[in-house]
Amino acid sequence: DIQLTQSPSSLSASVGDRVTITCRASQGIGSYLAWSQQKPGKAPELLIYDASTLQSGVPSRFSGSGSGTDFTLTISSLQPEDVATYFCQQVHSYPITFGPGTKVDF
Amino acid sequence: EVQLVESGGGLVQPGGSLRLSCVGSGFILSDYYMDWVRQAPGKGLEWLGRTKHKPERYVTEYAASVQGRFTISRDESQSSLFLQMNSLKTDDTAVYYCVKGGGPHGPSDFWGQGTQVTVSS
Repeated sequence: DIQLTQSPSSLSASVGDRVTITCRASQGIGSYLAWSQQKPGKAPELLIYDASTLQSGVPSRFSGSGSGTDFTLTISSLQPEDVATYFCQQVHSYPITFGPGTKVDF
Repeated sequence: EVQLVESGGGLVQPGGSLRLSCVGSGFILSDYYMDWVRQAPGKGLEWLGRTKHKPERYVTEYAASVQGRFTISRDESQSSLFLQMNSLKTDDTAVYYCVKGGGPHGPSDFWGQGTQVTVSS
């Protein structure tokens, strides 16, 4: 199985800060990585797929990069509504796996 | 507008069974891969299984943790997805999400609101 690790596990930032979250895969997955956001008490929502493609309707302050084993989610200017937990997901091979999540708050 | 509405969750005793349903609207279910994903209290996301779309004859892949106990099925006439859960354990307690996927290598791109399953005596 492909294991995904995320760092940091949590972070505190201020409005307007640039935030970077890293996801590392235990083996190469090409660009088959997605990022989702889960706000407290809500279902997750897809932000980015294919490592860097922004899902329709997602603000442009979110961006993704990387390929192979190392990936990054960046929030260019953190907004109050971005308080959430962020998960990466690999869809390269079965079983599909998720990272453990990164909690972002103020 | 895409919508996914799960139902069927509740309290069940260890060893029992439960069948979850998910009704999709705003898209053609047979055109898409569909997933079940769960989230135990205070924990992360666990993928349970994926049923491929009609061109791939709805072939289904499962996580090892539920292989042989859980079964995913569809009823395209009702735009519905199902998760039959047998031999339930206390560790199966979680919120269960029905999720729309894309195609091969597609992410889980739209999530239902989830249904709570509690396994307890």
